[in-house]
Formats: sequence, structure tokens, C-alpha cells
Amino acid sequence: DMKVTQMPRYLIKRMGENVLLECGQDMSHETMYWYRQDPGLGLQLIYISYDVDSNSEGDIPKGYRVSRKKREHFSLILDSAKTNQTSVYFCASSPGTGRDTLYFGAGTRLSVL
Amino acid sequence: GDSVTQTEGLVTVTEGLPVKLNCTYQTTYLTIAFFWYVQYLNEAPQVLLKSSTDNKRTEHQGFHATLHKSSSSFHLQKSSAQLSDSALYYCAPASSGSWQLIFGSGTQLTVMP
Repeated sequence: DMKVTQMPRYLIKRMGENVLLECGQDMSHETMYWYRQDPGLGLQLIYISYDVDSNSEGDIPKGYRVSRKKREHFSLILDSAKTNQTSVYFCASSPGTGRDTLYFGAGTRLSVL
Repeated sequence: GDSVTQTEGLVTVTEGLPVKLNCTYQTTYLTIAFFWYVQYLNEAPQVLLKSSTDNKRTEHQGFHATLHKSSSSFHLQKSSAQLSDSALYYCAPASSGSWQLIFGSGTQLTVMP
């Protein structure tokens, strides 16, 4: 069963705390992504990873960093979270380049108070 | 830079009537493919339609769209909207100038009884 798994599903943090969002996929996809979704803004690309330790900034990377040490696992880290990082975060993977179909995880709803 | 224009953010249609969601892509590169993703409430986005063949009608789940590379358009249509079609719809084109999809801002479709 092809799946992208995100943990946790819901998270509440205080401003200034560190946040770790985790994503796993069981499809051996090369490419993985982190998006955030805000009303009226759609899906904004934060980071893209083409393989282990091969990461590139997306459209809105400021305030975020990522880690990919295994092909099946991709983490998003917020160092000292800010209230404007309250959002829904989606992880996705695709078999090849970003022009292929993206498979999304169920999302993590993050609230930074 | 490249941009995606989708039908205005909110569309309401009566059950049984036709619906059309527009999507055009402004790019200086070649349009390679188009995707429509659908996101039901509290779920992950999932691919609804995709096409890379010019002037060919693509159908899935009662929806259809025809890719026109010359005009970089891929409008989503359904002849008879169902209550279950209520969701957020994203258009996402791929061009020769980018290694990832660009997502439009999304159109919220509400089908009323």
C-alpha cells in the first residue's frame, strides 16, 4: 500500500520553541517535498529534496530547514518557531522529477502560540 | 516569472448542473503537462486528472479536461455536479523551465442541493 505518513497530525507549540515535523514514504521515491497551506495562498513549496542530502530551497524557505538522511524519510525543522508559522504542513513524494504525480501525506496542523 | 491563474477562489453550483473550473499558465517555457489535484475536507490533496498529450481529452471520476499547450490551459469540467464533488481544487502545470509543479491558489467548489 503506497503511503506517505506524517507525524504528528496535530501540534501546538509556544513561540520560540523548536518544532520537528516528520515524514516517511514507503514507495522508494527519489523526490520529497514540504509544503505549507494557508487559506487563499494555496500550497507553497518550502523545500524539495532530490535524494539523500540533496536538498533545495523552495519558494518560502526562510525560517525552515530540512534533513534527509534516508531516502524514505524527510524532516522539516523550525528553529525557534514564530506565530506566523501557524499553518498546515504537507509532505509529498514523487517517483522522479517534480513533474511527476505527487503523493501527499495527511498533513500536520501546527499552531504556534 | 511563471504564474498559474485559476478560477476565482469560491465557486458554488447546484447539484446536477454543469461546472467548469478554469486554469491557465503563464510561462515563457514549454508546457509539458498539467495536473488537477482535489482536496476533500481534512484530507490530503490527491491527483484527479493529469495530461501531457496536447489536445487530448482526459477523464476521471466524471471530470474531464483537455490540455491545450498552445494556450497553456487545462480547464476542468463536469456535466453534472454531485454533492460529493465539494472540495478544494488545485491546478498544477509543469513546464520545461522548472523541475517542479507550480500550484495555483486553489478553487473551493461547493455543490448545493
